[in-house]
Amino acid sequence: QQQVKQSPQSLIVQKGGISIINCAYENTAFDYFPWYQQFPGKGPALLIAIRPDVSEKKEGRFTISFNKSAKQFSLHIMDSQPGDSATYFCAASLAGGTSYGKLTFGQGTILTVHP
Amino acid sequence: DAGVTQSPTHLIKTRGQQVTLRCSPKSGHDTVSWYQQALGQGPQFIFQYYEEEERQRGNFPDRFSGHQFPNYSSELNVNALLLGDSALYLCASSFGGWGTDTQYFGPGTRLTVL
Repeated sequence: QQQVKQSPQSLIVQKGGISIINCAYENTAFDYFPWYQQFPGKGPALLIAIRPDVSEKKEGRFTISFNKSAKQFSLHIMDSQPGDSATYFCAASLAGGTSYGKLTFGQGTILTVHP
Repeated sequence: DAGVTQSPTHLIKTRGQQVTLRCSPKSGHDTVSWYQQALGQGPQFIFQYYEEEERQRGNFPDRFSGHQFPNYSSELNVNALLLGDSALYLCASSFGGWGTDTQYFGPGTRLTVL
């Protein structure tokens, strides 16, 4: 019940295209859903995050879409650029209690944007 | 404003040895979480420290232990190293108040066990 499943494992997009990465979760008690970007040899960097009380959040070229009933959320990268080539992780955490602040990560998606 | 810092950057140990990794949180943060990231995998939660105590723990054996100091910095100790402990060890800091979930990660320590 603590799993977060991410797809696809890898994604190739042309410059200017839209990159879409999907995640599904089982535990309905999750209430915080961040996306992280990781470059080789670096730690994950927070991109954008959402809570279940909204269905969409946009920050610049990055948008999270959230479907509470389907227990799915996705990251959309508009106008993808070669500099966006990195590994992307979705994650989820619980509101409180003994598991407060524990992030459960998906397996990651390697995004390659061709010029 | 310095972000999360970790030391050392890289470390090579042999099986059976012990290792200590260090983390300094982002300014203003009082909570430190440790994660293990195997090659090609997502980070796995090890444990979290708040107010110098282990607040919660993931599914890791007792060989993994930690400590948080009064200045909020933290150490991760791993005893009796196994080949499978080879990974990138990430430290993340956050503010421990309720409703604040944002965790900021450091660059990690790459541990290789031979």
